Amino acid sequence: QVQLQESGPGLVRPSETLSLTCTVSGASVSSDYWTWIRQSPGKGLEWIGHIYKSGSTNYNPSLKSRATISVDTSTNQFSLKLSSVTAADTAVYYCARDNLNSFDPWGQGIQVTVSS
Amino acid sequence: IVLTQSPGTLSLSPGERATLSCRASQSLSSSYLAWYQQKPGQAPRLLIYGASNRATGIPDRFSGSGPETDFTLTISRLEPEDFAVYYCQQYGTSPPTFGQGTKLEIK
Repeated sequence: QVQLQESGPGLVRPSETLSLTCTVSGASVSSDYWTWIRQSPGKGLEWIGHIYKSGSTNYNPSLKSRATISVDTSTNQFSLKLSSVTAADTAVYYCARDNLNSFDPWGQGIQVTVSS
Repeated sequence: IVLTQSPGTLSLSPGERATLSCRASQSLSSSYLAWYQQKPGQAPRLLIYGASNRATGIPDRFSGSGPETDFTLTISRLEPEDFAVYYCQQYGTSPPTFGQGTKLEIK
């Protein structure tokens, strides 16, 4: 059974970099695609980007190159960095396995608030 | 691709049939349309992928259909645990996008 768990700080200051990690169990990050999605009351569900085992990535153009996703096969984790955050980046952030037609399963989500 | 879900809120009673709609702004292969259920405080859960294929463990009262731009999620007989928010999602064109959701509430 594949399970994912997000971790990271729940509060980030404006203009700083948001950093989150997703720990995968029951599957290897060396296979499949892995993705980050966020959800906010204002924007709903928004796909951030994904990474493949080779390290190849694809991002949502709406984030204007602020997002970086990386994978660490030694710890079976993948990570998200989002730079120059503003209040508009306040959201619940989810990691998930990306099946290239749907997302399944999802982590439980982590609330990240951008505030000074 | 913009996905528009209707209605915004659907009020029904347990045992009734629910029909939720998802309209795409341009033609979309049915292979790339999925439906999710989200309950308060939980992550979305995959129900249907490829427009009509139930995900593992999803009861057969859930079914999906639809070609090109008009997709439907049907719940044949509502159970108390089915009252939640439902989202459609497309992966035919990058970036993947979600609809704004339909809230299914108890009447």
